[in-house]
Amino acid sequence: AQTVTQSQPEMSVQEAETVTLSCTYDTSENNYYLFWYKQPPSRQMILVIRQEAYKQQNATENRFSVNFQKAAKSFSLKISDSQLGDTAMYFCAFMNPINAGGTSYGKLTFGQGTILTVHP
Amino acid sequence: GAVVSQHPSWVICKSGTSVKIECRSLDFQATTMFWYRQFPKQSLMLMATSNEGSKATYEQGVEKDKFLINHASLTLSTLTVTSAHPEDSSFYICSARDWTDYEQYFGPGTRLTVT
Repeated sequence: AQTVTQSQPEMSVQEAETVTLSCTYDTSENNYYLFWYKQPPSRQMILVIRQEAYKQQNATENRFSVNFQKAAKSFSLKISDSQLGDTAMYFCAFMNPINAGGTSYGKLTFGQGTILTVHP
Repeated sequence: GAVVSQHPSWVICKSGTSVKIECRSLDFQATTMFWYRQFPKQSLMLMATSNEGSKATYEQGVEKDKFLINHASLTLSTLTVTSAHPEDSSFYICSARDWTDYEQYFGPGTRLTVT
């Protein structure tokens, strides 16, 4: 079974600075998908960024970028120019690929989460 | 973007009663829906996966007779908590995906309090 580990229960950063959240995972699969989700106080899950394992290029979405190290099974999230609205719980997640039989559950396995607080 | 709604957003029920939570995909056909449970400041735990027209597949340790899941149409899945007890109090989140993409779209969640 896949496991996802986020070793930082809580992080804090000053507004406008940069912060990196860590995530490691364990899998025997070669093709898979990785995600970072944000859960603000409203508790709505919001997709921040996603990475397909077959792509070598690191994904980037505006101020959010990842450092995907497939061999090391590491998938960290960098938030640049942090804003107060970035305050949330962040989850790293792993998804199995669609299996050869065509029946896909595409189940997500989540890490424990990191509570990020951005200070003014 | 794909939108998923949940109803109700918050429900209080008495111990021993049943409560139904609805999850709807508003602008796409959800061939697969997922139900999660989340305790405060903890991660999401997958409870079950349902494919339209099929029986739900429950994760290990989840009581299928207590948490009844129905996915009768391509836009609606329901989770019924039967004979609820205070320990069932939690935040329940659904997500949905269609057959064209692997991404899951999340509902806003339902807070269940059993008194």
